[in-house]
Amino acid sequence: AQKVTQAQTEISVVEKEDVTLDCVYETRDTTYYLFWYKQPPSGELVFLIRRNSFDEQNEISGRYSWNFQKSTSSFNFTITASQVVDSAVYFCALSEVLIKAAGNKLTFGGGTRVLVKP
Amino acid sequence: NAGVMQNPRHLVRRRGQEARLRCSPMKGHSHVYWYRQLPEEGLKFMVYLQKENIIDESGMPKERFSAEFPKEGPSILRIQQVVRGDSAAYFCASKPGQGYNEQYFGPGTRLTVT
Repeated sequence: AQKVTQAQTEISVVEKEDVTLDCVYETRDTTYYLFWYKQPPSGELVFLIRRNSFDEQNEISGRYSWNFQKSTSSFNFTITASQVVDSAVYFCALSEVLIKAAGNKLTFGGGTRVLVKP
Repeated sequence: NAGVMQNPRHLVRRRGQEARLRCSPMKGHSHVYWYRQLPEEGLKFMVYLQKENIIDESGMPKERFSAEFPKEGPSILRIQQVVRGDSAAYFCASKPGQGYNEQYFGPGTRLTVT
């Protein structure tokens, strides 16, 4: 069975500080996808990134960066120079690629609430 | 191209009533997922449907919950005889077909049972 753990339930930072969100996953599949979603106070889910298990290259998008370490089953997310608008709950998720393609359901971590204070 | 639509956005039901949540997938998408987010928790998978077919309902509670995705019209998540513990945000996601992995989420329906 697959599992995603986000050990940090809440992180509070002051604006312009960097913040790193940890995500550790468990899966028996060799092929899988990892995702990060943002849930702002308005409640919708905003897709941030998808990585497949064969691509361990780190990625940077503006102030966001992701560090995928297959050896430690981690997919961590860093917000550089945080802003108040970054305040949200961030979810890490895992999707296994089943042979029959009859799934791809997402398994979510419990989320990390980020509070950025001005 | 409109995104995934869910309605209503907020639904209040008294204990024992029925709740019907609707999800219209993105245009051209034939696969739909339903997830539930209980207060202060992450999202949990409930059911995965193709048009006229339930593919995986392993996350659905055994009683009172049902889902459908007819050939025409939106996908419906139905909760009969609601209880306070059903209060949650229910999210729908869609994707074009089997070979795709990225799911596009709707804004969610917040169900409150009084």
